[in-house]
Amino acid sequence: DGGITQSPKYLFRKEGQNVTLSCEQNLNHDAMYWYRQDPGQGLRLIYYSQIVNDFQKGDIAEGYSVSREKKESFPLTVTSAQKNPTAFYLCASSIARGDRNEAFFGQGTRLTVV
Amino acid sequence: AQSVTQLDSHVSVSEGTPVLLRCNYSSSYSPSLFWYVQHPNKGLQLLLKYTSAATLVKGINGFEAEFKKSETSFHLTKPSAHMSDAAEYFCVVSPYNQGGKLIFGQGTELSVKP
Repeated sequence: DGGITQSPKYLFRKEGQNVTLSCEQNLNHDAMYWYRQDPGQGLRLIYYSQIVNDFQKGDIAEGYSVSREKKESFPLTVTSAQKNPTAFYLCASSIARGDRNEAFFGQGTRLTVV
Repeated sequence: AQSVTQLDSHVSVSEGTPVLLRCNYSSSYSPSLFWYVQHPNKGLQLLLKYTSAATLVKGINGFEAEFKKSETSFHLTKPSAHMSDAAEYFCVVSPYNQGGKLIFGQGTELSVKP
């Protein structure tokens, strides 16, 4: 089945640690996105990538980093510089051409700082 | 700048009664508009999308939405609510020619009473 897989589903981070969230898609989509979800705030864009080896900052990129070495993969690293990382993180992908711009989402990773 | 406003943070209906979730948008050009649904601790699922074809858009699970350019609205409706409709709903705009970026509303939590 085609889709987007995020792992792990739950992740715990100690203060000062970097952690990496995985996102893989087999939909052959060019564009991939990372969103952060906090209660009552909708989804906010962290980073996005429209093509392999290229990515752009979204609205809240500080304290995060990404890479896009393969079309299928777009991992997100939450660094120790991110002061409030506890949130629900959602990865998405899209064809992003013409009117074929709907996004397909993974099931999310819930990150908690302990 | 593009933006989305969901006019109600929470809507409560009785099973079998109509559902109305309100959304207004702001966009410089003809945008693509979407409604997504999210069940607790899950990813987002596309309900329906508008891309400048018919102004009345039918989606999954009996939902539909009407694009009204004069009112800059894209309200979501369903004639008869079911208990399984209880979830959070997001109105989303994808601005023209911005690589598929999505701008989310704050979300509306729908409760369905027996």
